[in-house]
Amino acid sequence: QLQLQESGPGLVKPSETLSLTCTVSGGSISSSGHYWGWIRQPPGQGLECIGTIYYSGSTYYNPSLKSRVTISVDTSKNQFSLKLTSVTAADTAVYYCARQTLYQLLPNWFDPWGQGTLVTVSS
Amino acid sequence: SYELTQPLSVSVALGQTARITCGGNNIGSKNVHWYQQKPGQAPVLVIYRDTNRPSGIPERFSGSNSGNTATLTISRAQAGDEADYYCQVWDSSTVFGGGTKLTVL
Repeated sequence: QLQLQESGPGLVKPSETLSLTCTVSGGSISSSGHYWGWIRQPPGQGLECIGTIYYSGSTYYNPSLKSRVTISVDTSKNQFSLKLTSVTAADTAVYYCARQTLYQLLPNWFDPWGQGTLVTVSS
Repeated sequence: SYELTQPLSVSVALGQTARITCGGNNIGSKNVHWYQQKPGQAPVLVIYRDTNRPSGIPERFSGSNSGNTATLTISRAQAGDEADYYCQVWDSSTVFGGGTKLTVL
């Protein structure tokens, strides 16, 4: 079945760039019916969608993070990636990747999710 | 930006019915999805498009959506249903509710 796995540094210094990759297995990232998204969850808090990307490169970003976020896709590796610049302690969170199903031509529900990876912003 | 409002916590007696609400302006016109998240685990989709259950989700989980409120209903609540529950919609971008902690007494 489809599986997603996040990878990347668990510790990032303030003002630097957070970079994560999600590797998709058991299915193709070039599927026409799905976007691929990044969601984060600060410790003890709720879920926040960072953004989502289609295999063609089309993206939707959270307006509150848009100025600092870039999501890209590498179909040859069946991966998509997240870059978040100028990080602060407020960006400390568990970062999840997930497949987002298209419905009525718009990204809708997330399923399945990766297990998540904790990224701590600290000097 | 669009906002979704959930109660911080809901309690239910073992074997009874729990209802978790998700409020939003004219949410009945949107597709609402629900996730269950247990401690230390990734969220799991339990309801999509208001009323649909993914394969493997028990029939005890059901959803409805009308007016300004969507509701996740858990019948015959079990101890294993204790978790945080999040609603989610699409409105120019993905929006999540703040989450509701379900306690089974």
